[in-house]
Amino acid sequence: GENVEQHPSTLSVQEGDSAVIKCTYSDSASNYFPWYKQELGKGPQLIIDIRSNVGEKKDQRIAVTLNKTAKHFSLHITETQPEDSAVYFCAVPIQGAQKLVFGQGTRLTINP
Amino acid sequence: DAGVTQSPTHLIKTRGQHVTLRCSPISGHKSVSWYQQVLGQGPQFIFQYYEKEERGRGNFPDRFSARQFPNYSSELNVNALLLGDSALYLCASSLFSGQGNQPQHFGDGTRLSIL
Repeated sequence: GENVEQHPSTLSVQEGDSAVIKCTYSDSASNYFPWYKQELGKGPQLIIDIRSNVGEKKDQRIAVTLNKTAKHFSLHITETQPEDSAVYFCAVPIQGAQKLVFGQGTRLTINP
Repeated sequence: DAGVTQSPTHLIKTRGQHVTLRCSPISGHKSVSWYQQVLGQGPQFIFQYYEKEERGRGNFPDRFSARQFPNYSSELNVNALLLGDSALYLCASSLFSGQGNQPQHFGDGTRLSIL
């Protein structure tokens, strides 16, 4: 089955700096890569996703890059703000199904 | 538009009891999936339903069951509760049309505690 590895498990950055979280996956047929943000007491919120026919997608301060050859994709957050503090999860769907396999999560802390 | 809604938000049960959790998908979404999230871990897939039929099942025992109703809402049932069933149970809905991948949107979950 699909195996998803996410790093780092914790990340602390100064407000205004950038944060990068990386995920690797095992199934070369995977073609959809979402990122979720989970705040305390809430469910995961879809913040950005990318399909395999593009290498990068941006939405204001967040971006996702995909390297299909190396089978990894990364979340980039620029100009970090205190409200970016949360747990971030990458996910990869089982091919042709709506079953998401999640990474282990990254706890991001933005220090003022 | 309302997002995915789940009820109840919190529930406390004792070992051996039965529980039913409910989910209403985003309007227009016909696919509902259930996930279990243990503290400190990512969500684990339990079931997916599309057009009232089970389309996927994760590695969970038969004590776990689910169904989807004609209005696309869904119930997750867990029998003979164990301490290890304590977790956040999440429901996600999508515009899944039977093939391919569509974005899944999650509710805020039901926090189940087993005493």
